[in-house]
Amino acid sequence: DAGVIQSPRHEVTEMGQEVTLRCKPISGHNSLFWYRQTMMRGLELLIYFNNNVPIDDSGMPEDRFSAKMPNASFSTLKIQPSEPRDSAVYFCASRGSAYEQYFGPGTRLTVT
Amino acid sequence: AQSVTQLGSHVSVSEGALVLLRCNYSSSVPPYLFWYVQYPNQGLQLLLKYTTGATLVKGINGFEAEFKKSETSFHLTKPSAHMSDAAEYFCAVSVSNSGNTPLVFGKGTRLSVIA
Repeated sequence: DAGVIQSPRHEVTEMGQEVTLRCKPISGHNSLFWYRQTMMRGLELLIYFNNNVPIDDSGMPEDRFSAKMPNASFSTLKIQPSEPRDSAVYFCASRGSAYEQYFGPGTRLTVT
Repeated sequence: AQSVTQLGSHVSVSEGALVLLRCNYSSSVPPYLFWYVQYPNQGLQLLLKYTTGATLVKGINGFEAEFKKSETSFHLTKPSAHMSDAAEYFCAVSVSNSGNTPLVFGKGTRLSVIA
């Protein structure tokens, strides 16, 4: 099993640009989570999906953030327009019938 | 509401010494409990979990944790620390037994191992 796949692994962009982060969950998993990790705030849950349906997006910081899951094998997190304070590591995680979540390697985003 | 408290944001031990990372939880239903480890520049990796049954659970890399309901604790231990154990450790609790809700994570404890 390839595990949770995230792309890109690193992204450097200028303020105001659109950023799209991608995630492929583990095959057969029906829940997907997006997290953000910073030194100041630690690990924050942004949004999660069950069976491709967004369940709770209360962690999304602003309307500049949006997430989609068009099918069971793909999800995106989009930031438009990006700001320097969005710089963080963004993790995707998935879960199947068990309770543990499996994390991807993360995308390190730097907004200059 | 469920919550997790990890005592000590940073723990430092000597190589070969006992590792003890503390975790206390609050849950209105029987909890499922987890420890994750995060090495530098990597994602979180499951170390071990408690769901039901034996309260002492063993995980990878020689770590183990004991669920103590009376103390609402799930402390992580390892008899002898290795340099490779230096990482961030997160305790987490399942919010409900439905399996449809996210884990609630603690703020993490950074473990340093001194040679």
